[in-house]
Amino acid sequence: DAKTTQPTSMDCAEGRAANLPCNHSTISGNEYVYWYRQIHSQGPQYIIHGLKNNETNEMASLIITEDRKSSTLILPHATLRDTAVYYCIVRFHTGGFKTIFGAGTRLFVKA
Amino acid sequence: GAVVSQHPSWVICKSGTSVKIECRSLDFQATTMFWYRQFPKQSLMLMATSNEGSKATYEQGVEKDKFLINHASLTLSTLTVTSAHPEDSSFYICSARDLRTVTPGSYEQYFGPGTRLTVT
Repeated sequence: DAKTTQPTSMDCAEGRAANLPCNHSTISGNEYVYWYRQIHSQGPQYIIHGLKNNETNEMASLIITEDRKSSTLILPHATLRDTAVYYCIVRFHTGGFKTIFGAGTRLFVKA
Repeated sequence: GAVVSQHPSWVICKSGTSVKIECRSLDFQATTMFWYRQFPKQSLMLMATSNEGSKATYEQGVEKDKFLINHASLTLSTLTVTSAHPEDSSFYICSARDLRTVTPGSYEQYFGPGTRLTVT
């Protein structure tokens, strides 16, 4: 699975959009970009995933650059409950089911 | 969404004893379950991958004789920490893959809430 690079931490004001970047310059053509988050002392929670098109669901939007070497997770209206560690993961969807977590980005949403 | 449970949610045991942690998929069948370990302020580290009915595959550096994994059914996997020591104290998290998700890019892993093990 390709390696990802994320900022260590970010702050965001409550009600504003939180934009979390992720670099995955070694991504291969068949690898998907997945985002999970982990709130303190809980198991990780799936947020969104995509291949090359931008994706949106009830939780967030995922913007993937045309060359697929980076992506941005957008939480449109961050709330205090969105404070968590956000993990960007790149992996194949077939065969290897391992999901290797990097350090992630610690997002602090402030009132 | 799919639900994965773990039991117990926390456990305290004495050094030298064994502890069993259960991971259950409540509303789906999981052919594959994963066990992770997370130390304070660190990321999750994959320990092993278990497929129903076969032996688990352990990551490099994880002692298979110490961390016994059994995946006897499509809804249950267990992790037994044998002869636990204080350095085994950690947050153990399991995840499971849903057989129903067969569309490309949808091989989701659903995570359990974790089990906090403290060895005294």
